[in-house]
This record gives sequence, C-alpha cells and structure tokens, in this order.
Amino acid sequence: GENVEQHPSTLSVQEGDSAVIKCTYSDSASNYFPWYKQELGKRPQLIIDIRSNVGEKKDQRIAVTLNKTAKHFSLHITETQPEDSAVYFCAASRASGGSYIPTFGRGTSLIVHP
Amino acid sequence: ETGVTQSPTHLIKTRGQQVTLRCSSQSGHNTVSWYQQALGQGPQFIFQYYREEENGRGNFPPRFSGLQFPNYSSELNVNALELDDSALYLCASSLAGNTEAFFGQGTRLTVV
Repeated sequence: GENVEQHPSTLSVQEGDSAVIKCTYSDSASNYFPWYKQELGKRPQLIIDIRSNVGEKKDQRIAVTLNKTAKHFSLHITETQPEDSAVYFCAASRASGGSYIPTFGRGTSLIVHP
Repeated sequence: ETGVTQSPTHLIKTRGQQVTLRCSSQSGHNTVSWYQQALGQGPQFIFQYYREEENGRGNFPPRFSGLQFPNYSSELNVNALELDDSALYLCASSLAGNTEAFFGQGTRLTVV
C-alpha cells in the first residue's frame, strides 16, 4: 500500500518568514495530492491540491510543487502570519471507483511567532 | 460551514462494548469516507462508501464495519472495543469524480 512520509514534524518560524513542508510517497498510482490545514479542535480543511499532470500550483501565499519522478511534493507558505499556525497534513491519493482514496502524512505542526 | 455533520461529538465506552457513529453528507455528495485520527497523527483511512457499496478499505480489522444509506448518510460500527480504538473519528463526503472532500467535525471516542 501507499506510504507517505512528511517532514518536519514541527516547524517554528517568525512572522513574515517562509515555511516549507515536504512529503514523499511510494505508490506511483497516486495521482492527486491535497494539503489540509487543521486548527486545534477543528476539522481538517483543504487549502490547496495538485494533480499529477501539473508540476506547480499557486494560490496567493500558498504554493505546492510536485516531482512525480522523485515521488515528492512540497507545500510552500510565504509571508507567514500567526493565523497560519496549525497542523498541516499532506496526502497522496489514488483513484478508486470514480472517487479518491488518500493516505495521509503524520502532520507538521507549524508555529508562527509574532 | 461545510455541511458534513457527525454525531455524537463525544462518546465514552467501556472495553468490549460496541459503538455506532453517524455521518450526514454534504448535500449532493454521494461518497463518504471514514478516518481514524489518533492524537498527534494524521487521519488513517478506514473505508469508503459510494452509492451504498464499499469502495475501498484500509488496514482495519473486520470489527470495523460501515453502512451507507440511500440518502448517502453513513454509519461506522465498531465491535469489541479496545483501548487503542480511542481516537477522533472523522468522516468526509465528496462527489464521485470530484477530488475535494469535506470533513465533518469528528466524534471523539474514548474507550476506558
């Protein structure tokens, strides 16, 4: 089955700095890669995603890159703000019966210091 | 508000008991997935239902079972509860063919 490794487990930055979270996956059948943000006590929320036919995608301060050959993908957050503090999860998903089945990483706790 | 609701929000059960958790999908969504999230871990896929049929299953024993109803709401049943079953159980709904899944707020299950 799929195995997703996520690093680092904790990331502490100063407000305004950039943050990068990296994930690797093992199953070449995975073709959809979402990133979720989970604030303390709340549900995971999709913040950005990328499909395997795209190498990079950007949405304001957030960007995701994908290297299919190396089987790794990364989340980049620029100009971090205290409200970016949360746990971020990557996932590698494969298609199944018209839907997608994700395997999640263990999460990165991002702390943005004012 | 994403529209995915779970009940109950919190539950305490004794080892060996059985539990049923419920999930109402967002309107128009026909696919429901269930996840177990232990403290400090990422969500682990339990199974997925599409149009009332199981569409995939993770590495969980048979005492974890599920059901999807014609209105696409879903149940997760766990028999013979163990202490390690204590976790946040999340459901997520999506529309088949659409990648985005919306999570419910979760049910916090504690087994004592």
